[in-house]
Amino acid sequence: DAGVIQSPRHEVTEMGQEVTLRCKPISGHNSLFWYRQTMMRGLELLIYFNNNVPIDDSGMPEDRFSAKMPNASFSTLKIQPSEPRDSAVYFCASSALGQPQHFGDGTRLSIL
Amino acid sequence: GIQVEQSPPDLILQEGANSTLRCNFSDSVNNLQWFHQNPWGQLINLFYIPSGTKQNGRLSATTVATERYSLLYISSSQTTDSGVYFCAVERWGNTPLVFGKGTRLSVIA
Repeated sequence: DAGVIQSPRHEVTEMGQEVTLRCKPISGHNSLFWYRQTMMRGLELLIYFNNNVPIDDSGMPEDRFSAKMPNASFSTLKIQPSEPRDSAVYFCASSALGQPQHFGDGTRLSIL
Repeated sequence: GIQVEQSPPDLILQEGANSTLRCNFSDSVNNLQWFHQNPWGQLINLFYIPSGTKQNGRLSATTVATERYSLLYISSSQTTDSGVYFCAVERWGNTPLVFGKGTRLSVIA
């Protein structure tokens, strides 16, 4: 079975540009999580969905960040406008009840 | 919120040596996972172990839920074991993982 698929793997863009990160969860998983990893803060939750419904977005840094899950097989995380402090590795993970969370390979984002 | 502490923060081993990594957590949990983050940044699932003991090759893990800790054992370490090992806990089902700060392991030949 395919794992969690994230795209792009790397993104380099200039400050002020819109950035869209994409995630395809494992088929049959009903929970999807977006995490961010930085040197200063480690791995922390941004937002998560159960059955395509956002449950907790308290980790989203500010209004510049938004996430959607239009269907069970796709989610996006958008940053608009992007800033240099948004540079980090962004991970998507999915799980089913009673099962471990599986992580994608991450998107390494650099904002110049 | 729940706190997750890992020790030691850094560990250097000679190839072939054994090691024990520890994870303490501050409240009861539904799930505990151990991950290995390799040099390419990928988070590899090692164990899903809310309680009990599991083994997978040279690695094994034990979680004592009543005492709120978990241990990861690495035996006969290899250079490919290098990377950062994370412990993460899930407070209730289908909720986010809370990660520790990790143990950075370097295995030298």
